[in-house]
Amino acid sequence: DAKTTQPPSMDCAEGRAANLPCNHSTISGNEYVYWYRQIHSQGPQYIIHGLKNNETNEMASLIITEDRKSSTLILPHATLRDTAVYYCIVRDFLNTNAGKSTFGDGTTLTVKP
Amino acid sequence: DVKVTQSSRYLVKRTGEKVFLECVQDMDHENMFWYRQDPGLGLRLIYFSYDVKMKEKGDIPEGYSVSREKKERFSLILESASTNQTSMYLCASSWAGEKLFFGSGTQLSVL
Repeated sequence: DAKTTQPPSMDCAEGRAANLPCNHSTISGNEYVYWYRQIHSQGPQYIIHGLKNNETNEMASLIITEDRKSSTLILPHATLRDTAVYYCIVRDFLNTNAGKSTFGDGTTLTVKP
Repeated sequence: DVKVTQSSRYLVKRTGEKVFLECVQDMDHENMFWYRQDPGLGLRLIYFSYDVKMKEKGDIPEGYSVSREKKERFSLILESASTNQTSMYLCASSWAGEKLFFGSGTQLSVL
């Protein structure tokens, strides 16, 4: 699985959009981009994933560049409860032997009042 | 909803003890994973299993072994616990390459 690069930390004002970038320049054709978040002392929680089209669900939006080498997770109206570590990983969706999913250090998002 | 259940939330063991961390998932997932998480080091993969009795080493398998006798259960074994194995241990499962579901984690302290 390809590796990802994320900024170590970001701040966001409550009520504003939080835009979290991720670089995955070595992504291959079958690999999806997945985003998770981890609130302190809990297991990571799935947020959203995509292949090449932009995706939106009740939690967030995912924007993937046309060359698929980077993506941005958007939390449209951040709340204090969105303060967490956000991980971007890539996984080969078609590989039944899913293999390693390498998590980097993620981005610590702090939402401030 | 998928449930991934880890047997203990907190565990305290002595150096040299044999330690078993248990993980059970209820969605018939093929793949199961064990990660450890330490401050500043993110999640690091210890072992994963893509079928019953099948296992593969992750990035940091030294000092650990695993067992998967039934599809729903994946155990992590510390044969002789050491203080440097004090960590948060996270179990996860997935169907093929789809999204991972994580348990709540086990905070293990080895004294």
